[in-house]
Amino acid sequence: TQLLEQSPQFLSIQEGENLTVYCNSSSVFSSLQWYRQEPGEGPVLLVTVVTGGEVKKLKRLTFQFGDARKDSSLHITAAQPGDTGLYLCAGMEYGNKLVFGAGTILRVKS
Amino acid sequence: KAGVTQTPRYLIKTRGQQVTLSCSPISGHRSVSWYQQTPGQGLQFLFEYFSETQRNKGNFPGRFSGRQFSNSRSEMNVSTLELGDSALYLCASSLGVSSGYNEQFFGPGTRLTVL
Repeated sequence: TQLLEQSPQFLSIQEGENLTVYCNSSSVFSSLQWYRQEPGEGPVLLVTVVTGGEVKKLKRLTFQFGDARKDSSLHITAAQPGDTGLYLCAGMEYGNKLVFGAGTILRVKS
Repeated sequence: KAGVTQTPRYLIKTRGQQVTLSCSPISGHRSVSWYQQTPGQGLQFLFEYFSETQRNKGNFPGRFSGRQFSNSRSEMNVSTLELGDSALYLCASSLGVSSGYNEQFFGPGTRLTVL
């Protein structure tokens, strides 16, 4: 099983600040998915990146897949309290199996 | 389109009992995957079912089993429950195609507490 290291584990920032979450592996994934999870609920899919070097934007969120498809980042511009939650990256292994990072707990204070 | 549904949402059991959890995937999706989420281990893959067959399995003991019906609905069973089985059990639905762009959509989960 391939491993995904996600950092930082915890972020507490003020409303309006920018932040970046990193997801790294020594192995190549066929794709990488980013999720956001609220307490007691299931993860909600934000984006899927497939091509090395790919950049996708979702309003204030920018996702990037590394050229070698081993790492990814999530950048949030001007964070808002509504962005608070657990952010998870997940790499797709063979056989439709997702390998998850440990997650980043983001708290945005108003 | 309706999302992934899981029942029940909450369960309380005692050690030694068994439990069955249910998952209904998104219409048209043929793959159902199950994951266990705990504070210490995070999200871990249990198994995947596709067209009523277990296609992939994670590193969990044989007490964890599952099945899938012809309508793609899936059930997961845990026998002889242990305290450490307390977790949020998540079901994910996907088309199940063999490509990187096989997005998985999660249900709300079943919170299992073992006393």
